[in-house]
Amino acid sequence: KNQVEQSPQSLIILEGKNCTLQCNYTVSPFSNLRWYKQDTGRGPVSLTIMTFSENTKSNGRYTATLDADTKQSSLHITASQLSDSASYICVVSATGGYNKLIFGAGTRLAVHP
Amino acid sequence: EAQVTQNPRYLITVTGKKLTVTCSQNMNHEYMSWYRQDPGLGLRQIYYSMNVEVTDKGDVPEGYKVSRKEKRNFPLILESPSPNQTSLYFCATSVAPYNSPLHFGNGTRLTVT
Repeated sequence: KNQVEQSPQSLIILEGKNCTLQCNYTVSPFSNLRWYKQDTGRGPVSLTIMTFSENTKSNGRYTATLDADTKQSSLHITASQLSDSASYICVVSATGGYNKLIFGAGTRLAVHP
Repeated sequence: EAQVTQNPRYLITVTGKKLTVTCSQNMNHEYMSWYRQDPGLGLRQIYYSMNVEVTDKGDVPEGYKVSRKEKRNFPLILESPSPNQTSLYFCATSVAPYNSPLHFGNGTRLTVT
């Protein structure tokens, strides 16, 4: 069964600290993996997309990694800011006769001053 | 400015009273989709459309209808809403959904009593 699991469910960190969010997937055939940021009351916004051949991609203070062998991805946030408080959603795209986007349930991050 | 506009943002209605949630985009994207988001669950796809007059069911289509008469609009219709359709709804568009980011609207929070 195609699944995307994220951990932790929620996380609290202090402003200025780093954190790492995890995404494990069992999706086949794999096409790409995306990370989205969803502010409270808003729609998700794309942070990164990584294909099979990419193992790291950055967007400002956000760095995503992908290990296609172990089917794991992480999103690392550096020097967190209050505005990083949001839910982070991992999405895996399956293609090749089975086009589908599989969404994780998200990790809710709270950054406290 | 690229936009996906949903209306209304908030809606409270009663069981059985037909309603329509509108979605409009100005990016000329062929792909449009509707999702619902419930606590603890990932975004679940209701219906999607690959082009004008081309629509297909997603994972949770029961109780919903859609139409795609023109490229920019993709309304979601609940003919006889029930309390289990209380949820946060998102419209999303993409130039190529399985290889490019989704662009989400800001959501419609629906309560059915």
